[in-house]
Amino acid sequence: SAVISQKPSRDICQRGTSLTIQCQVDSQVTMMFWYRQQPGQSLTLIATANQGSEATYESGFVIDKFPISRPNLTFSTLTVSNMSPEDSSIYLCSVSAGWAMNTEAFFGQGTRLTVV
Amino acid sequence: DAKTTQPPSMDCAEGRAANLPCNHSTISGNEYVYWYRQIHSQGPQYIIHGLKNNETNEMASLIITEDRKSSTLILPHATLRDTAVYYCIVNTGKLIFGQGTTLQVKP
Repeated sequence: SAVISQKPSRDICQRGTSLTIQCQVDSQVTMMFWYRQQPGQSLTLIATANQGSEATYESGFVIDKFPISRPNLTFSTLTVSNMSPEDSSIYLCSVSAGWAMNTEAFFGQGTRLTVV
Repeated sequence: DAKTTQPPSMDCAEGRAANLPCNHSTISGNEYVYWYRQIHSQGPQYIIHGLKNNETNEMASLIITEDRKSSTLILPHATLRDTAVYYCIVNTGKLIFGQGTTLQVKP
């Protein structure tokens, strides 16, 4: 299994500002994903972070709002830009060892974001 | 969209087996069924996955029907710590979560 560290674990931010969330894995992984979990809801996939190329965003999510970086096989960042109270959620990083659909994914403990 | 349907909630008595059903009628031949659970808004925890054969590990058993249109996760001896939201997911190369089943294990 992979050990995933997310920073910060929680933050309270002012509306209109941006927050960058870091995801560090203890081993090289092929795939990294970012999810959002709004209060009382299930997880929603934001994007797939691709190493060496632009992230692949799911419907309803755009790069200007959620820019993602993936400089290497163990690290990724998600920025939540120009925040509003509606962005208050838990943001989770997930990693998978390969492209095969027989590969399990592991999740970090999440970043709990409150926008005031 | 998620390719699975689960009941929103279930109860189970402590010490008894918990059987959580999942429908995935549009699953493709090479897509695996995965189960995760989430406790108290922690990150989801992997439980088990399978393609068409039944699978068992130290946490649970996974029973997949022959036509692969449905499956059941079995927790053989549920404890209070198994109270969580359980997600059944069809892996299409990425994990798309549905609403899951909230399992409440009662004393």
